[in-house]
Amino acid sequence: GEDVEQSLFLSVREGDSSVINCTYTDSSSTYLYWYKQEPGAGLQLLTYIFSNMDMKQDQRLTVLLNKKDKHLSLRIADTQTGDSAIYFCAESFDNYGQNFVFGPGTRLSVLP
Amino acid sequence: KAGVTQTPRYLIKTRGQQVTLSCSPISGHRSVSWYQQTPGQGLQFLFEYFSETQRNKGNFPGRFSGRQFSNSRSEMNVSTLELGDSALYLCASKIGTGEAFFGQGTRLTVV
Repeated sequence: GEDVEQSLFLSVREGDSSVINCTYTDSSSTYLYWYKQEPGAGLQLLTYIFSNMDMKQDQRLTVLLNKKDKHLSLRIADTQTGDSAIYFCAESFDNYGQNFVFGPGTRLSVLP
Repeated sequence: KAGVTQTPRYLIKTRGQQVTLSCSPISGHRSVSWYQQTPGQGLQFLFEYFSETQRNKGNFPGRFSGRQFSNSRSEMNVSTLELGDSALYLCASKIGTGEAFFGQGTRLTVV
């Protein structure tokens, strides 16, 4: 069955790097996503990676995918207080549908 | 361009009642999906509509239903409300292989 796991909390100091980890069980997932949710808001897509890629970098964000271990990580460089939010890892099995399987979310707290 | 609009933003209903939530997708987006977000279960997929047809369905009881109109606007309905239906209901719209954009959600409280 499909299952996505994440640690629930992460605290970092402003200016440090944050690494949020995610594991998934279904190897047939095609795309893996990172979404951000701020209080009272919907989900904002941060980045995504195709399952045949190992790494993707987008400004301060670096996504690493280890398909063998079914492990996905999101690194945020130079973390700022505005990065404090809940980060969700999600997998999908085609790029047309919206049947995402989400992890429980990691609450990132950035300390000044 | 306007984002995904969900109405109402907040709703309080009594157990046993029914409720209808609305989602207006981004103009041109024909795929609309619905998610339930609760502290205990997290984000769970309810269903997805594309061109007025249900394309995918999650694992929810038949009390949860939805539909999509010819203008791509979608509604979801929950009948015979239970306390456990209290949640944030999120809608997302998408076009083709593009990004899924989420609305701000409707917070439903069942008392």
